[in-house]
Amino acid sequence: DVKVTQSSRYLVKRTGEKVFLECVQDMDHENMFWYRQDPGLGLRLIYFSYDVKMKEKGDIPEGYSVSREKKERFSLILESASTNQTSMYLCASSLDRGLKPQHFGDGTRLSIL
Amino acid sequence: AQRVTQPEKLLSVFKGAPVELKCNYSYSGSPELFWYVQYSRQRLQLLLRHISRESIKGFTADLNKGETSFHLKKPFAQEEDSAMYYCALSGGNSGGYQKVTFGTGTKLQVIP
Repeated sequence: DVKVTQSSRYLVKRTGEKVFLECVQDMDHENMFWYRQDPGLGLRLIYFSYDVKMKEKGDIPEGYSVSREKKERFSLILESASTNQTSMYLCASSLDRGLKPQHFGDGTRLSIL
Repeated sequence: AQRVTQPEKLLSVFKGAPVELKCNYSYSGSPELFWYVQYSRQRLQLLLRHISRESIKGFTADLNKGETSFHLKKPFAQEEDSAMYYCALSGGNSGGYQKVTFGTGTKLQVIP
């Protein structure tokens, strides 16, 4: 069975901290994505990656960075966490070139205090 | 710019009643449209895509380019259909790749 695993279901951090969200997929997929999901706003793309060491900005990249050192792992980094980054973060992966996310992780609910 | 509009935040229907979840889009080219679903305490998952012209769990969706709509329909709602539904559009270029834009979602509540 296809698997996208996010390291934490719940995370609480303080303002100004550097925060790492980890995502691993076991399907050898080329494409990986990070979204944030907020009520009334739907899913918004933060960053995506279509190959190892390749990354592209999504629609709301400000305040975030990413790392893709290995094909199976895609990390989202909050350089200096702020309260407006409190959200549900979803990682996804896909095989095809069209960047349509196929498989999602369970999500990480991040609270910034 | 591409945009997806789901006008209803919440749609409540009785079990056995028809369901129509509305989705309208704005895109200058030829889009690819999708519906994603998230059941309570489960992962978001792809439900169907317009190019497949498939019926999944009794749901269908037809792309109407004239009305720029991709409404999701089911003739008889079941309690297990209660979930959050997102319409999404693939279009626009990002280094040769086409990004997906999601709507804000509609929560479907099927009343027993």
